[in-house]
Amino acid sequence: QKEVEQNSGPLSVPEGAIASLNCTYSDRGSQSFFWYRQYSGKSPELIMFIYSNGDKEDGRFTAQLNKASQYVSLLIRDSQPSDSATYLCAVRASGGSYIPTFGRGTSLIVHP
Amino acid sequence: DAGVIQSPRHEVTEMGQEVTLRCKPISGHNSLFWYRQTMMRGLELLIYFNNNVPIDDSGMPEDRFSAKMPNASFSTLKIQPSEPRDSAVYFCASSLLGQGARTNEKLFFGSGTQLSVL
Repeated sequence: QKEVEQNSGPLSVPEGAIASLNCTYSDRGSQSFFWYRQYSGKSPELIMFIYSNGDKEDGRFTAQLNKASQYVSLLIRDSQPSDSATYLCAVRASGGSYIPTFGRGTSLIVHP
Repeated sequence: DAGVIQSPRHEVTEMGQEVTLRCKPISGHNSLFWYRQTMMRGLELLIYFNNNVPIDDSGMPEDRFSAKMPNASFSTLKIQPSEPRDSAVYFCASSLLGQGARTNEKLFFGSGTQLSVL
């Protein structure tokens, strides 16, 4: 059973702070890693993906991947109240399947 | 493109009734996923189609659930008979997988169907 684990939260940070969201996965051969954002009552939307060890930056978002330790994280700099949402980590495992496994998500609350 | 279109947005039914959820994927996408989301279990994959063929249905809970994809532009998820524990949000997602660029692994989700079985 391939598992993706996230702390359900909620993670509460003040506006302007850095929010750090973490995700661990069980399949060491996993190939692709994704972060989806889901606002309450809405559908998930991809915000970041990463394939190689290290950091990938896109605006205020940075995804970090450490395959040796089997974790992937998402940093949100200068957090805004509009960032308040649930963040889902998804991992595509090894092998030919393109099916991603989703974690249960971390709820982020950015308070003014 | 209008994105992935799901219908209905909300469905309220009584236990034992048949429920049919519908999905129109993004034109040109070759992969379609049905997910179920609950607070307790998160986002669970029910079934995955590639080029209209079911590839992985290991997530389908039991024989009460069935899914079809008769053509590239339409899929249905049917529950018969429905039970209160089936109450959840059901998402359909599509993608263009296996076409070279890894960016194609992005899933595009529909707005979901909120199902309540009383």
